[in-house]
Amino acid sequence: DAGITQSPRHKVTETGTPVTLRCHQTENHRYMYWYRQDPGHGLRLIHYSYGVKDTDKGEVSDGYSVSRSKTEDFLLTLESATSSQTSVYFCAINGRINTEAFFGQGTRLTVV
Amino acid sequence: AQSVTQLDSQVPVFEEAPVELRCNYSSSVSVYLFWYVQYPNQGLQLLLKYLSGSTLVKGINGFEAEFNKSQTSFHLRKPSVHISDTAEYFCAVSAWDGGSQGNLIFGKGTKLSVKP
Repeated sequence: DAGITQSPRHKVTETGTPVTLRCHQTENHRYMYWYRQDPGHGLRLIHYSYGVKDTDKGEVSDGYSVSRSKTEDFLLTLESATSSQTSVYFCAINGRINTEAFFGQGTRLTVV
Repeated sequence: AQSVTQLDSQVPVFEEAPVELRCNYSSSVSVYLFWYVQYPNQGLQLLLKYLSGSTLVKGINGFEAEFNKSQTSFHLRKPSVHISDTAEYFCAVSAWDGGSQGNLIFGKGTKLSVKP
């Protein structure tokens, strides 16, 4: 299995609070991604990174920010959590574009 | 823009029967295609991939898929399913047009339910 660790695995937070999810990889892969998974929507890309300090928006980036200060870590921050951000969040990595991505185990976030 | 359509949201099938999960994609550039499987409360695991070469690709757990460029399809098949194949299956496309970073675009998933 690819070395990807997401933390925390589960979190319950209150509306309006900031939340940071962490993705840590040991594969030294260049590309890292954050997706959210919701019933009936599949996986949708939030943000991605193509190198240290190089990030860009995905399909559903509103309300989210990311940072990548080291190759191995990619952080996803919900600036002010809302109930619509209740979801399962997956981090993914790959070494080259147009190849398969490897996924973490996911973080289940509930905003109450 | 690239997109993926999985034509069935749920597929019930009896154990040892054959199954086909359908996937169509839309892209104006060369595509790279993937099928992933997700078991309950787990992440996504790669089943198989098409990058180039033979249009019939074989994956893990006895699954195979055929890339059909003229029909823009990449259907997943298994000749005889097991109870343990019960999971959600996702088709994905990566199509680098020189702009994006080759991100994977996913379909909405097909839940395969294998009944005894």
